[in-house]
Amino acid sequence: DTGVSQNPRHKITKRGQNVTFRCDPISEHNRLYWYRQTLGQGPEFLTYFQNEAQLEKSRLLSDRFSAERPKGSFSTLEIQRTEQGDSAMYLCASSSPTSKQYFGPGTRLTVT
Amino acid sequence: QKEVEQDPGPLSVPEGAIVSLNCTYSNSAFQYFMWYRQYSRKGPELLMYTYSSGNKEDGRFTAQVDKSSKYISLFIRDSQPSDSATYLCAMSATGANNLFFGTGTRLTVIP
Repeated sequence: DTGVSQNPRHKITKRGQNVTFRCDPISEHNRLYWYRQTLGQGPEFLTYFQNEAQLEKSRLLSDRFSAERPKGSFSTLEIQRTEQGDSAMYLCASSSPTSKQYFGPGTRLTVT
Repeated sequence: QKEVEQDPGPLSVPEGAIVSLNCTYSNSAFQYFMWYRQYSRKGPELLMYTYSSGNKEDGRFTAQVDKSSKYISLFIRDSQPSDSATYLCAMSATGANNLFFGTGTRLTVIP
């Protein structure tokens, strides 16, 4: 399978715990995006990487959220001190400069 | 007001019907328009992509963009039960990195 992959697919955590998600983009794509999708809503943009550089962050990305893409390949999204409002599907997408964004299957986070 | 508005439905149609899905938007800078299909608990899958105004056809799917009215549509002909999913419109401006999505319309095609 050469699509975007995300792990884990589902994460259940207790409020106050830290969680980390991983995204592996399509191998030839240098652009990587994180989105958040809550129930009944469309995805909302969180942040964008070009290679290893984080070039854009949404105001939705509070200081409890941090994303990295250390070698310009896979990316991680960490949420510290999780809150119940963080429960959502976290989607990763990738693209090349000339292609559209292709999404992974998402990581569903449940904060109890 | 959201930048992209989409009727969430739900929409139920009999198999073989023509389905019309629509979005309106407020940002005149949007130039790229997409339709994604999302099955339950899966990631969005790109269906159609259109630049600026006009029509684009791909099999049973036709996408239309009317920039003067800030209105886009997706038509599905000869709908099948396998088309049952949530359909998301998305759009972006030239040079922008993020997509703006509608809320999605949940479609059920009844056999």
